[in-house]
Amino acid sequence: GAGVSQSPSNKVTEKGKDVELRCDPISGHTALYWYRQSLGQGLEFLIYFQGNSAPDKSGLPSDRFSAERTGGSVSTLTIQRTQQEDSAVYLCASSLQGGFGANVLTFGAGSRLTVL
Amino acid sequence: QQQVKQSPQSLIVQKGGISIINCAYENTAFDYFPWYQQFPGKGPALLIAIRPDVSEKKEGRFTISFNKSAKQFSLHIMDSQPGDSATYFCAASVGNNRLAFGKGNQVVVIP
Repeated sequence: GAGVSQSPSNKVTEKGKDVELRCDPISGHTALYWYRQSLGQGLEFLIYFQGNSAPDKSGLPSDRFSAERTGGSVSTLTIQRTQQEDSAVYLCASSLQGGFGANVLTFGAGSRLTVL
Repeated sequence: QQQVKQSPQSLIVQKGGISIINCAYENTAFDYFPWYQQFPGKGPALLIAIRPDVSEKKEGRFTISFNKSAKQFSLHIMDSQPGDSATYFCAASVGNNRLAFGKGNQVVVIP
């Protein structure tokens, strides 16, 4: 596609439920990133994929968070047993390649998660 | 730990005025400093970026000024327009693929 596509755009869930957030990066972009944007907290790095592998997942806040990428394309971020503090906008970005080029990130519009 | 710190938190500017947003960092290994612009309901988009071997970069009405010794860089928006009203994030990286973002500055341009 022309841009990074994320779904769902909005998700309301109850505390304790699992959620899956999906990201379709720009075709041909080998690097994919997940960031979390909380009110007043800026953009918090979660995980980075190069191809299907995740060389940097140090930003995942707890073992309730996991992500995978398949076929070097689509990525899914899964949050298990959601908590209210997980409420945020989850942003996905992709870039053409790693290294310096990776710094030119193209972001999707995000998935807004609200945990009641 | 916030690796890049932005100020002021929010800014209100009259149309035609100059918006100035500052960013400070601690890690002297950072070698790439972009600014991202985010409109409500959209993801951030790269606006302009600079490397530490230059002190200034200008693209249209947007200028980055870089002060390596002070470990600061700033974004100047000349002739600010209502369409510039957005949240601006500074960021920095050290070439390891991870961008560290600031908390963002909300800029409001009053007609």
